[in-house]
Amino acid sequence: SAVISQKPSRDICQRGTSLTIQCQVDSQVTMMFWYRQQPGQSLTLIATANQGSEATYESGFVIDKFPISRPNLTFSTLTVSNMSPEDSSIYLCSVDRGRRNEQFFGPGTRLTVL
Amino acid sequence: ELKVEQNPLFLSMQEGKNYTIYCNYSTTSDRLYWYRQDPGKSLESLFVLLSNGAVKQEGRLMASLDTKARLSTLHITAAVHDLSATYFCAVPTNSGYALNFGKGTSLLVTP
Repeated sequence: SAVISQKPSRDICQRGTSLTIQCQVDSQVTMMFWYRQQPGQSLTLIATANQGSEATYESGFVIDKFPISRPNLTFSTLTVSNMSPEDSSIYLCSVDRGRRNEQFFGPGTRLTVL
Repeated sequence: ELKVEQNPLFLSMQEGKNYTIYCNYSTTSDRLYWYRQDPGKSLESLFVLLSNGAVKQEGRLMASLDTKARLSTLHITAAVHDLSATYFCAVPTNSGYALNFGKGTSLLVTP
């Protein structure tokens, strides 16, 4: 398995501001993923972050709104920029580990935008 | 576009009863994942099904995969209150690495 931590665990932010979410893994991984879970909804993939290259964004998500950094094999950040109430969600990072391609999820960051 | 459909989306069942949650997906995949999410918590991996005909069991939960029918089932046997949670199935995206999730089945087990 993998031990994944995220900071902050939750935050309440004002409209128009930005928040950077950190994801730390206890061992080196090639790929890290960022998902969004809107209230009462399923998970939607935002982007895939590989170390040393630009993140790959899914349809409907753009780099200007969700810039991602991946400076090394154990760490990534997701920034939610120019926030609006529609950005209120849980943001989760995950990693792909093991021969079974099992994906493990961090504890999530619960974001509320006022 | 890959679609993953679960049904039912909401399920209220009595303790001791059996029930099955279904997960259909729209494109070929040789892997399927089941997760559990408790309110306010992250996702807990339940099962990874890696081949056609795969069956995995853990306690009162049993999952199976039919890749030809593009169908997975999560069977609950003799439900207990502790199983109350939301259950998600997921299949790999076209890239093969990230996951595409179903809408989830919210399960409530009542006395």
